[in-house]
Amino acid sequence: GESVGLHLPTLSVQEGDNSIINCAYSNSASDYFIWYKQESGKGPQFIIDIRSNMDKRQGQRVTVLLNKTVKHLSLQIAATQPGDSAVYFCAEKEGSGNTGKLIFGQGTTLQVKP
Amino acid sequence: KAGVTQTPRYLIKTRGQQVTLSCSPISGHRSVSWYQQTPGQGLQFLFEYFSETQRNKGNFPGRFSGRQFSNSRSEMNVSTLELGDSALYLCASSLRQGGQPQHFGDGTRLSIL
Repeated sequence: GESVGLHLPTLSVQEGDNSIINCAYSNSASDYFIWYKQESGKGPQFIIDIRSNMDKRQGQRVTVLLNKTVKHLSLQIAATQPGDSAVYFCAEKEGSGNTGKLIFGQGTTLQVKP
Repeated sequence: KAGVTQTPRYLIKTRGQQVTLSCSPISGHRSVSWYQQTPGQGLQFLFEYFSETQRNKGNFPGRFSGRQFSNSRSEMNVSTLELGDSALYLCASSLRQGGQPQHFGDGTRLSIL
């Protein structure tokens, strides 16, 4: 969905636990979704992506789930580590055409407690 | 392989001035997109360039402009700077127009006094 507000939701987890970060998107016509991780002072770093013809995709320690019925996206991080502490953004490609425009969510801050 | 390179990393300007930011995409990437990141509005799309032509544009005033060169490097320009233009300006590159995933640089932090 569109970015709104001043405060980012925060998720606090214990090191070694699994983390789940949720995101709602706005356009049912979107055919591509992506997760980025942003550490302080750096640009967004690509984590994992998924196309609308899939409902699940796995990477190294990360899984993205897509529920098109309720327009919901989630990022699961297994065995969360201190290095996973960052702000996580979901984004949808605008529509299904040939555009590079990504619409970003507001972001979720993940805090990993040692 | 080098990532997306943005220069300068930090910039301080005053109201009314103009500024030019530079972006060198990943080698072989031909599409460059620009985004503005602020605490209040988050990440917002400015424009996308491919083959030296603007292909898509976000909802920003005409003071924001850009261009792309034949080597795919891109610049964005903001004229008549306003206090609200203070932001992190991010550049992202991909292989082709509309290509995903986009890979971001670390941005230029622009502060307007």
